[in-house]
Amino acid sequence: DAGVIQSPRHEVTEMGQEVTLRCKPISGHDYLFWYRQTMMRGLELLIYFNNNVPIDDSGMPEDRFSAKMPNASFSTLKIQPSEPRDSAVYFCASSDRDTQETQYFGPGTRLLVL
Amino acid sequence: QKEVEQDPGPLSVPEGAIVSLNCTYSNSAFQYFMWYRQYSRKGPELLMYTYSSGNKEDGRFTAQVDKSSKYISLFIRDSQPSDSATYLCAMRSGGYQKVTFGTGTKLQVIP
Repeated sequence: DAGVIQSPRHEVTEMGQEVTLRCKPISGHDYLFWYRQTMMRGLELLIYFNNNVPIDDSGMPEDRFSAKMPNASFSTLKIQPSEPRDSAVYFCASSDRDTQETQYFGPGTRLLVL
Repeated sequence: QKEVEQDPGPLSVPEGAIVSLNCTYSNSAFQYFMWYRQYSRKGPELLMYTYSSGNKEDGRFTAQVDKSSKYISLFIRDSQPSDSATYLCAMRSGGYQKVTFGTGTKLQVIP
């Protein structure tokens, strides 16, 4: 298995632009997580899905952030409009019911908003 | 106060030293405790996990959980330069998938 796949790996955009981050979880995994990592705040859970349904989105910072999971093999995290304080590394992770202690992380998307 | 506190380091040790990494937490509902390792510009990967209190050993790594003190530790014996990474503690309560991470401790093992 190729592991969790994220795209793009790097994104540089200007304030006010829309940003879309993409994730393909490991095949067969029924949990998908979106995290944001910064030096100051560490790794923060934004939202997670179970069987494509959002379960907890309490970590989504504000309405500018939205996430979708239209099917078991694809999820998006969208920021509209983007702001400089959104600059961070965004990770997607997946896990399954039987090995739920192990979350498999993707390589991350480094986002810089100018 | 954060739910999980972890000293960010950096921690610099000579090769072969014993390393002790620690976290404290405030939520008594936490039952599952994990340690993730994150190499530079990579995603975190699970190193060890324990359920409730006690010790768990895996090769050169030992994880300890003291729920009475709300304190967890990771020990690395005979540390190697390849152990240089950021170590994140993580924990969650039972029956709930949300994991709370510490901010990570950056470790450098000097040859």
